[in-house]
Amino acid sequence: GESVGLHLPTLSVQEGDNSIINCAYSNSASDYFIWYKQESGKGPQFIIDIRSNMDKRQGQRVTVLLNKTVKHLSLQIAATQPGDSAVYFCASVSGYSTLTFGKGTMLLVSP
Amino acid sequence: GAGVSQSPSNKVTEKGKDVELRCDPISGHTALYWYRQSLGQGLEFLIYFQGNSAPDKSGLPSDRFSAERTGGSVSTLTIQRTQQEDSAVYLCASSSDIYSYEQYFGPGTRLTVT
Repeated sequence: GESVGLHLPTLSVQEGDNSIINCAYSNSASDYFIWYKQESGKGPQFIIDIRSNMDKRQGQRVTVLLNKTVKHLSLQIAATQPGDSAVYFCASVSGYSTLTFGKGTMLLVSP
Repeated sequence: GAGVSQSPSNKVTEKGKDVELRCDPISGHTALYWYRQSLGQGLEFLIYFQGNSAPDKSGLPSDRFSAERTGGSVSTLTIQRTQQEDSAVYLCASSSDIYSYEQYFGPGTRLTVT
């Protein structure tokens, strides 16, 4: 079955640094990817998405990069702030199936 | 506008009891999903509803788990004869329809089975 996994369970950065969170997926048929942010005690919150016909998409302070050759996805957060501290999940979907979520990476931002 | 709401926020129950978890999706959203999140884990898909179509129950871990959605809006997830391994956060999400992957999540219900 499809699996989506993350390379690093915890990422610690200093405020103002750029953060990069990585994700690998196994299903080459995946055609849509989403990054979610989950703060403690809350449900996941949509950050940014990207379709498989793109390799880069930018949002406000966030950029998602997709490398279909190696089935790798990354989320870059510019000028990381303490409020960015959370668990970040990537999710993928193929066709009209349901989302498959990775285990998550915890981002810790020190002031 | 109002987001997805879930109740209760916390539920402690004894092993063997039945529990009901409630989800109120965003008004007008026709797709509704239930997920389970164990400590330090990702989200495990349980079931989804789309309009009046038969639900996709492929993620339900056992026949002790069931869900229904009344009137295309509110959904209830029922766990019968709870076990300690059922302890987790149960998350509900809704989207405008099954073709929209942007799911809006509720805050979850933390279930603890003692």
